[in-house]
Amino acid sequence: ETGVTQTPRHLVMGMTNKKSLKCEQHLGHNAMYWYKQSAKKPLELMFVYSLEERVENNSVPSRFSPECPNSSHLFLHLHTLQPEDSALYLCASSQGIVSNEQFFGPGTRLTVL
Amino acid sequence: KNQVEQSPQSLIILEGKNCTLQCNYTVSPFSNLRWYKQDTGRGPVSLTIMTFSENTKSNGRYTATLDADTKQSSLHITASQLSDSASYICVVSGGTSGTYKYIFGTGTRLKVLA
Repeated sequence: ETGVTQTPRHLVMGMTNKKSLKCEQHLGHNAMYWYKQSAKKPLELMFVYSLEERVENNSVPSRFSPECPNSSHLFLHLHTLQPEDSALYLCASSQGIVSNEQFFGPGTRLTVL
Repeated sequence: KNQVEQSPQSLIILEGKNCTLQCNYTVSPFSNLRWYKQDTGRGPVSLTIMTFSENTKSNGRYTATLDADTKQSSLHITASQLSDSASYICVVSGGTSGTYKYIFGTGTRLKVLA
């Protein structure tokens, strides 16, 4: 248990659906991250929030929309996804964003049909 | 280009044996290097972190080394156990003042057999 929880753990959705992934951290951290992990590829950083403001958006398609209502919660809203978006989506948190240890959640396994 | 390369891609060993995983990086400027263990279907968990001035760091049966001159790191696992079966990911972070980077390797998938 790392102090970072993610729901749901598994999600299957059609290309026309709208769904949301949720992440919650209980560590008192002030930075949160979304990563995408595809098979045989390095983790891809998608979004970074520091003090509830987005500070990084690594050219992620607009069909992925993050939301950070407070320092403990992070959402990833999904709509009109493509099959190639199927992957493990990992949330992480850290205290500060400059080279500090990130604590990861268990991930959401997403399958887009 | 900032890159982190790990080898081997996969490794199978017998329980009780030792093994060494390699990580080469080209990230500059360098801040620190971490090794993570990722069990199947779970998020990565940090094993060690090494800064520029550190050569060796141990965490139980895991020992990481860092050669900042050659930009190489290794993770040595001693007396392997079945629970060591996982992916091991090398992550290098750095960046100039006011910026940051996290560069992940593709990982080494280790399988320990009884």
